[in-house]
Amino acid sequence: EPEVTQTPSHQVTQMGQEVILRCVPISNHLYFYWYRQILGQKVEFLVSFYNNEISEKSEIFDDQFSVERPDGSNFTLKIRSTKLEDSAMYFCASNQNYGYTFGSGTRLTVV
Amino acid sequence: KQEVTQIPAALSVPEGENLVLNCSFTDSAIYNLQWFRQDPGKGLTSLLLIQSSQREQTSGRLNASLDKSSGRSTLYIAASQPGDSATYLCAGTYNQGGKLIFGQGTELSVKP
Repeated sequence: EPEVTQTPSHQVTQMGQEVILRCVPISNHLYFYWYRQILGQKVEFLVSFYNNEISEKSEIFDDQFSVERPDGSNFTLKIRSTKLEDSAMYFCASNQNYGYTFGSGTRLTVV
Repeated sequence: KQEVTQIPAALSVPEGENLVLNCSFTDSAIYNLQWFRQDPGKGLTSLLLIQSSQREQTSGRLNASLDKSSGRSTLYIAASQPGDSATYLCAGTYNQGGKLIFGQGTELSVKP
């Protein structure tokens, strides 16, 4: 069964550093997403991406966040200057009208 | 504001019991509703997708129903097993390709 692949599985970074989280969505999917889950809290939507541009973003997705699809397979989330409160599990997902498929997540710890 | 709520927050049952998990949503114009399973510290595994034109979906011991008029969905698990222990999340979307809005989940524990 097709999978969404995320790397790395764990990332520890110092406050103020830039991080890039990587995702390979399912190849024939057209919609891509990033979500995050702070420990013990709901899964929260960050941003959706369709046709090579952002289609929707949440209030969380401020100027320190950016997304990119640099080639035909990768989808990245960049956090420019990490804060302690960015510590969370970050999930990538893709969709093609048959339900969403999520990756296994990247656990980001900001110290 | 579009919100999804799940009740109960936690549930503990003995092995073999049938159980129902509840999900409610504030906006009945839901497009698709999807149920997920999440094991501790892990990703989200899709269980069932109910599209807006459908009323229910079944997979093995799982059955999910959707009643848009009442703003409710239920996930029925038959003959529960210890391996079913996990957090179950429901999430809805309101348009094609739109964001998923998640409930807070029901943490299920099935005791041997």
